Amino acid sequence: DQQVKQNSPSLSVQEGRISILNCDYTNSMFDYFLWYKKYPAEGPTFLISISSIKDKNEDGRFTVFLNKSAKHLSLHIVPSQPGDSAVYFCAATPGGYNTDKLIFGTGTRLQVFP
Amino acid sequence: GAGVSQSPSNKVTEKGKDVELRCDPISGHTALYWYRQSLGQGLEFLIYFQGNSAPDKSGLPSDRFSAERTGGSVSTLTIQRTQQEDSAVYLCASSLEGGAPLHFGNGTRLTVT
Repeated sequence: DQQVKQNSPSLSVQEGRISILNCDYTNSMFDYFLWYKKYPAEGPTFLISISSIKDKNEDGRFTVFLNKSAKHLSLHIVPSQPGDSAVYFCAATPGGYNTDKLIFGTGTRLQVFP
Repeated sequence: GAGVSQSPSNKVTEKGKDVELRCDPISGHTALYWYRQSLGQGLEFLIYFQGNSAPDKSGLPSDRFSAERTGGSVSTLTIQRTQQEDSAVYLCASSLEGGAPLHFGNGTRLTVT
């Protein structure tokens, strides 16, 4: 029972273009969402988060959009850079910022080519 | 500054043997989590420690898996009688008082032959 789904296992984007990574969830109790980035042989690192009281959060080249009615969120990276090539995980929690655990998706491998 | 430290980074063991994986969380972080990532899978929650509260063990896949956290700091994940399906990257994370985001270590890659 996958509560957080990332249906695209991989995405390839040209440098300078926009990368859009998608995530769907099924649990309507989720109210805090996060994106993590993972390089090979390293642990995931936190990128950006959004609370369910917002529909958008921006941090530099990264923007997360939340559509609660559709139970969908997306991560936009503009402009994409080769260093952005990594696996991106979406995560969610029903506990708000104070969480006991995060539920992760299966990840999307982003490749940014020159 | 020091992040979450895990050891060993790689472990190869024979089926049926026991293994211990170690995690040193970030100093001052009261919450500690274990996750694992199997090939082609997402991060699967295993267990969560928060301060002196009873741990949330709801993600442990079988009674062969156990974890301890001594003195509110270092944690050890023990897998008894390892099976090939236990092969995965085991990730430890910590956070300040159980708040997001979690800070992950680099993981221990466990291979059971």
